[in-house]
Amino acid sequence: EAQVTQNPRYLITVTGKKLTVTCSQNMNHEYMSWYRQDPGLGLRQIYYSMNVEVTDKGDVPEGYKVSRKEKRNFPLILESPSPNQTSLYFCASRPRGGSTEAFFGQGTRLTVV
Amino acid sequence: KQEVTQIPAALSVPEGENLVLNCSFTDSAIYNLQWFRQDPGKGLTSLLLIQSSQREQTSGRLNASLDKSSGRSTLYIAASQPGDSATYLCAVRGGSQGNLIFGKGTKLSVKP
Repeated sequence: EAQVTQNPRYLITVTGKKLTVTCSQNMNHEYMSWYRQDPGLGLRQIYYSMNVEVTDKGDVPEGYKVSRKEKRNFPLILESPSPNQTSLYFCASRPRGGSTEAFFGQGTRLTVV
Repeated sequence: KQEVTQIPAALSVPEGENLVLNCSFTDSAIYNLQWFRQDPGKGLTSLLLIQSSQREQTSGRLNASLDKSSGRSTLYIAASQPGDSATYLCAVRGGSQGNLIFGKGTKLSVKP
């Protein structure tokens, strides 16, 4: 089954403790991205990647890192999480090309205390 | 910078009613527009994808239209059911990198 898989689905952590949220897709998509969703603010893009070893900042990249060493994986790294990073996070992927459809993971609910 | 607006922010209708959700965007230079459904605390389910060259797409009781020149899209839901209750998100693909820009959604409640 074609899908985007995020892990973990739920995570509670403490301020300053490094964490990684994994994202994997099995559709051989070139493009992958991360979004965060907050009440009243909607979905905002954090980082995106056009292909392996190519990443770029989205609208809200502060406090986050990403890497794209393999085509299928695009982990989101929070080196020193803070409470304002408490949010619902989504990973997405799509094939290269402007007219292609985006597929989303099921989301990761992160709480930083 | 592209901005996407969805009106209304919330909508409550009785079961069986036909309804329209609206989405507007400021930059007409888009590749496509995608409508999603999101249940509370859950992921995004893609409902319909309209290419920039298309006027509408249909799937079951759903019909989405696109008027690129005026920067508008509508999602028409026929014969609404309580199971349609969810937040509906509109997103446009545009810009040099083809990133998705989302509206804030319309929260739909269908009362039995």
